Amino acid sequence: AQSVTQLDSQVPVFEEAPVELRCNYSSSVSVYLFWYVQYPNQGLQLLLKYLSGSTLVKGINGFEAEFNKSQTSFHLRKPSVHISDTAEYFCAVTAWNTGNQFYFGTGTSLTVIP
Amino acid sequence: DVKVTQSSRYLVKRTGEKVFLECVQDMDHENMFWYRQDPGLGLRLIYFSYDVKMKEKGDIPEGYSVSREKKERFSLILESASTNQTSMYLCASSSGQIYGYTFGSGTRLTVV
Repeated sequence: AQSVTQLDSQVPVFEEAPVELRCNYSSSVSVYLFWYVQYPNQGLQLLLKYLSGSTLVKGINGFEAEFNKSQTSFHLRKPSVHISDTAEYFCAVTAWNTGNQFYFGTGTSLTVIP
Repeated sequence: DVKVTQSSRYLVKRTGEKVFLECVQDMDHENMFWYRQDPGLGLRLIYFSYDVKMKEKGDIPEGYSVSREKKERFSLILESASTNQTSMYLCASSSGQIYGYTFGSGTRLTVV
């Protein structure tokens, strides 16, 4: 079975500072990894995904994430955050043996402080 | 773009009522999912469906049922609403794992 751990439930950061949101996963098979963002009172939107190939993936709004197989991690980064990045961020994992099911972390609330 | 529409953004229901949450997607996706989202617990899978008239239980199906009579519509039913079902409900659809999910905007249900 797959599982996801998001190590930080809340991350405050000043505007224009860099940020890293941490995600670790557990799986006995090869995985696909995703990051989603949820703005207040909205559904989740796809930020980026890792399927295979290059371990550094770039997404929308200047976010990127790096897949590290040895550390079973998929941390999300942005070099300079904006007020508009304030949102909840979810890491998710799926694999060939889960059907089409995704397993989500508990989320990280990013607050950008002016 | 794929669109997933949830019929209500906010609902208030009384304990014991039968509640229907509707979800419609417009891109012919086979796979549809219902999650509930609670603070500190993330997203938990209630039910899912890979085809018309097909349904499978997720991690927390108790107190819920679903209906999928047409490919584009996946309904979540609370047979007898209880206060512990107060939550944000999210519907999602997908055409395959590598594409990820497309989510609706969510329905915030309050049971009083």
